[in-house]
Amino acid sequence: DGGITQSPKYLFRKEGQNVTLSCEQNLNHDAMYWYRQDPGQGLRLIYYSQIVNDFQKGDIAEGYSVSREKKESFPLTVTSAQKNPTAFYLCASTSTPPGQENYGYTFGSGTRLTVV
Amino acid sequence: QQQVKQSPQSLIVQKGGISIINCAYENTAFDYFPWYQQFPGKGPALLIAIRPDVSEKKEGRFTISFNKSAKQFSLHIMDSQPGDSATYFCAARPGGYNKLIFGAGTRLAVHP
Repeated sequence: DGGITQSPKYLFRKEGQNVTLSCEQNLNHDAMYWYRQDPGQGLRLIYYSQIVNDFQKGDIAEGYSVSREKKESFPLTVTSAQKNPTAFYLCASTSTPPGQENYGYTFGSGTRLTVV
Repeated sequence: QQQVKQSPQSLIVQKGGISIINCAYENTAFDYFPWYQQFPGKGPALLIAIRPDVSEKKEGRFTISFNKSAKQFSLHIMDSQPGDSATYFCAARPGGYNKLIFGAGTRLAVHP
């Protein structure tokens, strides 16, 4: 079955440590995204990538880094510079060009990161 | 302004009732408005979407109403069922950009 796999589902880290969240898709989608979800704040865009070896900052990129070395993979690193990293992180992808009807994302099931 | 304002934050509806969630925006360059449904512990899933040249779109019990002049759009869930209990997000796509801006979400509870 095609889809997006995020791992792990739950992740615990000590304050001051960097941590990398995995996102893999087998949908052959060009564009991939990372969103952060906090209660009452909706989904906020961290980074997105339109093609391999290229990515753009979203609205809350500070304290995060990404890479896009392969079409299938878009890992997110939460660095120690991120002031409040505890959140639910969602990865998404799309193959539909912006102008097309039924444009939409396919989301993974998320990773819940808790920093203690 | 790249914001989508969603209300209410939470909503309780009796089974069989109509659930209504509203969103408003300022940026007239938004060109596509989808709604997503999210169950606990899962990623959101596309529910229904509308373009600004259409005033209403219906899919089963779900209807989007779009008011371009007021820069508002809403989701109506007819004959609401307990299985509709979830968090709903409206979103908007800035024209020419391959990304979505999401509202803050509405937690819907449908009581039997």
